Amino acid sequence: KAGVTQTPRYLIKTRGQQVTLSCSPISGHRSVSWYQQTPGQGLQFLFEYFSETQRNKGNFPGRFSGRQFSNSRSEMNVSTLELGDSALYLCASTPLVGVRNEQFFGPGTRLTVL
Amino acid sequence: AQSVAQPEDQVNVAEGNPLTVKCTYSVSGNPYLFWYVQYPNRGLQFLLKYITGDNLVKGSYGFEAEFNKSQTSFHLKKPSALVSDSALYFCAVRDSRLNNNDMRFGAGTRLTVKP
Repeated sequence: KAGVTQTPRYLIKTRGQQVTLSCSPISGHRSVSWYQQTPGQGLQFLFEYFSETQRNKGNFPGRFSGRQFSNSRSEMNVSTLELGDSALYLCASTPLVGVRNEQFFGPGTRLTVL
Repeated sequence: AQSVAQPEDQVNVAEGNPLTVKCTYSVSGNPYLFWYVQYPNRGLQFLLKYITGDNLVKGSYGFEAEFNKSQTSFHLKKPSALVSDSALYFCAVRDSRLNNNDMRFGAGTRLTVKP
């Protein structure tokens, strides 16, 4: 099976712009979660989608949003970019929602905000 | 709320020596515990997990971890370290009472194995 894929791998944006990141989960996986990784804050949970519904959301401002499509692919959007949004954004998938399941991570999208 | 602490930012060991990467956790319910490894410019790779049962869990690449409920710890171990084990290691926890995928990660421990 192909792993979790994320596009693009690298992005450079300027403050005030918006950005959309894409994630394709492992085939058959229906749950997608997003994380932000920064040197200062580490790995922080953004949100989780299952069957096109957001099931859980971390402590991030409303500028961060996401959605999931019927084929389980997911996108996240960040509007009005700030310098502090520079980070590695990781997507992870699991077959179902379940606290016992490990997550399978993609390689991430590295976003740089200038 | 669940949380994880990795008390060491950096662990250095010589190749062939045993290694330990420490992790302690805090949850309200029963913990589900995970270890992941991250190589440069890569996503996280799953190593092992503790859900229930034996306190000693064996995982990928010869790693194992011991769950200690009284000390609320889940330390990662390997009997003989390899240079290729050098990477960033993350411990993570979920609360068994919660039916979601919100996983809380530690800050990470950078393991360096020297030849």
